[in-house]
Amino acid sequence: EAQVTQNPRYLITVTGKKLTVTCSQNMNHEYMSWYRQDPGLGLRQIYYSMNVEVTDKGDVPEGYKVSRKEKRNFPLILESPSPNQTSLYFCASTRMGRDEQFFGPGTRLTVL
Amino acid sequence: GIQVEQSPPDLILQEGANSTLRCNFSDSVNNLQWFHQNPWGQLINLFYIPSGTKQNGRLSATTVATERYSLLYISSSQTTDSGVYFCAGLRSDKLIFGTGTRLQVFP
Repeated sequence: EAQVTQNPRYLITVTGKKLTVTCSQNMNHEYMSWYRQDPGLGLRQIYYSMNVEVTDKGDVPEGYKVSRKEKRNFPLILESPSPNQTSLYFCASTRMGRDEQFFGPGTRLTVL
Repeated sequence: GIQVEQSPPDLILQEGANSTLRCNFSDSVNNLQWFHQNPWGQLINLFYIPSGTKQNGRLSATTVATERYSLLYISSSQTTDSGVYFCAGLRSDKLIFGTGTRLQVFP
């Protein structure tokens, strides 16, 4: 089944404790991206990647890192999480960035 | 930046009713999509509809790109249709999401 997977789905952590949210897609898509969703602010893009080893900042990149070492994986790294990064995070992928985008199930992160 | 307005912001229906959701863009976008965010937070793809009309069961969508709007029709609504509906368009390789329509369907 064609899909985007994310792990973990739910995470409660404390300020400053490094964490990684994994994202994987099995559709051989070149373009992957991360979004966060916050009440009243909608979905905002954090980072995107147009192919392996090519990443770029979205609208709200501060406090996040990404890497794209393999085509199928695009992990989101929070080196020192803070409470303002409490949010619902989505990974998305698409072929070449200009086709239909497919979203993962979301990761609900709480930083205490 | 581009503004994407959706109307109505909230909609309450009884099962079996029909509804039309609208999405207006302040500037041209490409590759318009409709999503349903269910009560568990998952974003479900409904339509990829850069232009024209598509139908999928009780749902259909129409995009008029030249006039910068799209419509989502829900017929014979069911309680499982509840959630938030988003439209999103592509601009500079980034999806711009609308403000959403929150739909509640009661039995």
